[in-house]
Amino acid sequence: EVQLLESGGGLVQPGGSLRLSCAASGFTFGLYAMTWVRQAPGKGLEWVSAISGSGDYTYYPDSLKGRFTISRDNSKNTLYLQMNSLRADDTAEYYCARKCTTSCHRFDIWGQGTMVTVSS
Amino acid sequence: QSALTQPASVSGSPGQSITISCTGTSSDIGYYNYVSWYQQHPGKAPKLLIYDVSNRPSGVSNRFSGSKSGNTASLTISGLQAEDEADYYCKSYANGSPLYVFGSGTKVTVL
Repeated sequence: EVQLLESGGGLVQPGGSLRLSCAASGFTFGLYAMTWVRQAPGKGLEWVSAISGSGDYTYYPDSLKGRFTISRDNSKNTLYLQMNSLRADDTAEYYCARKCTTSCHRFDIWGQGTMVTVSS
Repeated sequence: QSALTQPASVSGSPGQSITISCTGTSSDIGYYNYVSWYQQHPGKAPKLLIYDVSNRPSGVSNRFSGSKSGNTASLTISGLQAEDEADYYCKSYANGSPLYVFGSGTKVTVL
């Protein structure tokens, strides 16, 4: 079964850091680009980051560049999101999703999400 | 870039058809045929319903269909069922930042 399982969420103080993980199973992980999407409580979806299958290319919205870093370890079938200088408005459910690769922009498999709360 | 514009809510009776609009700009929906739609039930992860404007992944009911005209994409749900009650989000690939822009979301209520 194709599956994504996020972990690493929790309560963190403003200015703190957190690293999220997303364990993939049931497909050849390195053949797919991956992405992170977040959803603040009661709000809509927001794209956070994407990474190519090889990990050579990464993408961020300008609003998050410099604070968030996406990476992957294809030998461990795991995707990561390093989040630094966290703020209250980073509080959200964070989902990882599989993205097809070349000239393809659908997010076809999603994890169940991991909650990040930034509060003192 | 701002979120794509969707109506906050749409409702219909069982068996009816409803359409959800998603309005963007000439830099996203109007430029690319990379519009997708996602269904999200409360407390659950989003699920891909439609990709590349009008394609359905295997396993998705043919009651869901997508289209696009100019800067506006649309999702139609035919033969509305109780299980269709959920939030629906459109998404488009975009020219610029962010690379992907989501719609504001539409809550579908089955009366």
